[in-house]
Amino acid sequence: DVKVTQSSRYLVKRTGEKVFLECVQDMDHENMFWYRQDPGLGLRLIYFSYDVKMKEKGDIPEGYSVSREKKERFSLILESASTNQTSMYLCASSTRGLAGELFFGEGSRLTVL
Amino acid sequence: GEDVEQSLFLSVREGDSSVINCTYTDSSSTYLYWYKQEPGAGLQLLTYIFSNMDMKQDQRLTVLLNKKDKHLSLRIADTQTGDSAIYFCADEPTSGTYKYIFGTGTRLKVLA
Repeated sequence: DVKVTQSSRYLVKRTGEKVFLECVQDMDHENMFWYRQDPGLGLRLIYFSYDVKMKEKGDIPEGYSVSREKKERFSLILESASTNQTSMYLCASSTRGLAGELFFGEGSRLTVL
Repeated sequence: GEDVEQSLFLSVREGDSSVINCTYTDSSSTYLYWYKQEPGAGLQLLTYIFSNMDMKQDQRLTVLLNKKDKHLSLRIADTQTGDSAIYFCADEPTSGTYKYIFGTGTRLKVLA
């Protein structure tokens, strides 16, 4: 069974803390994504990666960075968390192809106090 | 820029049909997608339609695409309580970029 695993389901952090969100996929997918989900706004793309060490900004990259040192792992980093980064974060992966199905993790709910 | 719009809520009675609507602004999409998100879970692909098709049927699901009006709909026949979820339509405005645009999501509530 294909799987995208996000290491933390729930996190509570303080303003200014550095936050790491980890995502691992076991499908040997080339592409990995980080989305942010907020009520009434749907999913917004933060960053995606199409290969190891390659990354591309999405629609809302400000305040975030990413790291992809290994094919199966894609990390989202909040250098200095702020309250407006309180949200649900979803990781996804896909393989290259014409109809690119995204496989999602269960999400990491981050609260910044 | 590209935009995908959906109504936020839909409530139906068990056994009725549900129709979830989506409008999009881009006209060069190759595929349009429907994803389902159950409570506490990530999104899961429900179905997709190739842009040169008008309709796709898959068991209880029917997808209709009106390219002229840039309108996509998902019909669920014989809606069950297990269909209660958030449904997202998604578009990949420029094929091969993997920059999918998701709608706001429609929360479907099925009443017993």
